[in-house]
Amino acid sequence: DAGITQSPRHKVTETGTPVTLRCHQTENHRYMYWYRQDPGHGLRLIHYSYGVKDTDKGEVSDGYSVSRSKTEDFLLTLESATSSQTSVYFCAISERGGNTEAFFGQGTRLTVV
Amino acid sequence: GQNIDQPTEMTATEGAIVQINCTYQTSGFNGLFWYQQHAGEAPTFLSYNVLDGLEEKGRFSSFLSRSKGYSYLLLKELQMKDSASYLCAVRDRSNDYKLSFGAGTTVTVRA
Repeated sequence: DAGITQSPRHKVTETGTPVTLRCHQTENHRYMYWYRQDPGHGLRLIHYSYGVKDTDKGEVSDGYSVSRSKTEDFLLTLESATSSQTSVYFCAISERGGNTEAFFGQGTRLTVV
Repeated sequence: GQNIDQPTEMTATEGAIVQINCTYQTSGFNGLFWYQQHAGEAPTFLSYNVLDGLEEKGRFSSFLSRSKGYSYLLLKELQMKDSASYLCAVRDRSNDYKLSFGAGTTVTVRA
């Protein structure tokens, strides 16, 4: 199994509070991704990174920011959490952005109340 | 962007065969992936197609027709452990090679 760890695995937070989710990999893969998964929508890309300090937006990036200061860590921040951000968040890594498969972390279930 | 469609649910009997279809629209097709996701778990890679035709991997096979924007995942000799969601994903070079996922097909295997 690919070495990819997400923390925390579960979190409940209040509306308006900042939240940071962490993705840590031990595979030295260049590409890292944050997705959210909601019923009826499948996996939707929030942000991705193609190298240290190189990030770009996905299809549902509003309300989220990311940072990647080291190859192994990719942080997702909700500056001011809203109930619409209640979801399961998955981090993924891949060796190249092209034709290689992506490996997923175990997910973080976030509830905003 | 991509428009990826797959059925929401399918039910089949243990030992049978099930075919999960996926249709897509993309301007720069660069590969199609199938992932399996058990409830409460992470998606795991099953197969990859970039050229037309059938790719076989044990009990699972995946087919691609680029001209039709169509793929299917074939699960043979179904086992109870195959009950899961199956996700179709398309990579698009006109979208910076990012993966776009369908909503997934939940397969329930009955004894």
